[in-house]
Amino acid sequence: EAQVTQNPRYLITVTGKKLTVTCSQNMNHEYMSWYRQDPGLGLRQIYYSMNVEVTDKGDVPEGYKVSRKEKRNFPLILESPSPNQTSLYFCASSYSSGANVLTFGAGSRLTVL
Amino acid sequence: GENVEQHPSTLSVQEGDSAVIKCTYSDSASNYFPWYKQELGKRPQLIIDIRSNVGEKKDQRIAVTLNKTAKHFSLHITETQPEDSAVYFCAAIIFGNEKLTFGTGTRLTIIP
Repeated sequence: EAQVTQNPRYLITVTGKKLTVTCSQNMNHEYMSWYRQDPGLGLRQIYYSMNVEVTDKGDVPEGYKVSRKEKRNFPLILESPSPNQTSLYFCASSYSSGANVLTFGAGSRLTVL
Repeated sequence: GENVEQHPSTLSVQEGDSAVIKCTYSDSASNYFPWYKQELGKRPQLIIDIRSNVGEKKDQRIAVTLNKTAKHFSLHITETQPEDSAVYFCAAIIFGNEKLTFGTGTRLTIIP
């Protein structure tokens, strides 16, 4: 089944404790991206990647890192999480670019205490 | 950068009536405009999209219109059904830029 898989789905952590949210797709998609969803703010792009080793900032990259060492994986790293990073996070992919159908993962709900 | 405004933030319509959600964008170079539907507790899913070389696109009960001069585009849902209840997001992107900007969402409630 074609899908985008995120883990963990739910996580409660404390300020400053490094964490990684994994994202993997099995569709051989070139483009992958991360979004955070907050009430009243919609979906905001954090980072995106056009291909292996090619990443760029979205609208809200502060406090986040990403890497694209393999085509299928695009992990989101929070080096020192803070409470304002409490949010619902979505990973998404498309076959060539952001201007094509995005397939979203199921979401990861992160709470930083 | 691109800015997308979406209205209304909430919308309630009687079952069977039509619903219209409107978005405006700021960058005249934007040329791809998707609409995503997010049911409660689910992931967003594309329902329809339009490119800047087209003024209107339909898919059964759903249609999107684009006015490039005014820099706005709208989602039209006719003969609404309970399963249309969800949050709808518009978005805009410049092909080749890859930075996709979403609107803030519209919560549509269909009243039986």
